[in-house]
Amino acid sequence: KAGVTQTPRYLIKTRGQQVTLSCSPISGHRSVSWYQQTPGQGLQFLFEYFSETQRNKGNFPGRFSGRQFSNSRSEMNVSTLELGDSALYLCASSLVPRTSGKDEQFFGPGTRLTVL
Amino acid sequence: AQKITQTQPGMFVQEKEAVTLDCTYDTSDPSYGLFWYKQPSSGEMIFLIYQGSYDQQNATEGRYSLNFQKARKSANLVISASQLGDSAMYFCAMREGTNNAGNMLTFGGGTRLMVKP
Repeated sequence: KAGVTQTPRYLIKTRGQQVTLSCSPISGHRSVSWYQQTPGQGLQFLFEYFSETQRNKGNFPGRFSGRQFSNSRSEMNVSTLELGDSALYLCASSLVPRTSGKDEQFFGPGTRLTVL
Repeated sequence: AQKITQTQPGMFVQEKEAVTLDCTYDTSDPSYGLFWYKQPSSGEMIFLIYQGSYDQQNATEGRYSLNFQKARKSANLVISASQLGDSAMYFCAMREGTNNAGNMLTFGGGTRLMVKP
């Protein structure tokens, strides 16, 4: 079974630009969550999508947005990039509802965004 | 207050020895899940083990086991027979509520494990 895929793996942008990152979850997984990882703030939750609806949102400004398509693939968009947006962006997919007692959330390899 | 605390920023362990990575958590929700992830230098987060708040037994997955002490709100990861490939960052994370309500994970600051040959 294929894992979570994220594209692109690396991005370099300049301040003020916008960027779109993509995440394809594991087949059959309908929940996709996004996280930002920086050396200073660690891993922080951005938002979660389930069945094309955002059902949880972290404490990030409105410049960060996302969506989910009917095939469960998700995109996140960051507009008006700032230097502080440089980070590793990770997405995770999960099977909802669980079919066993064990919960698993699988992460993709991440997209490393550098803002110059 | 921190919801997930990992008090060991870095640790060394001798190859083939066991090591325990500490994690304490804080929640008032009776239903929650605890996760451990490994993040090598490549950046990918690798799922290791899961413990549900209502699970009666400690979770085990191969060389990984979770020492779950609910009353103390601790969920320590035990790695037996350390290997050089275990050198990485390790993160403890918590999901509050059932996953049918949401999958948001709160992460600790991580522990960098270095395995010595």
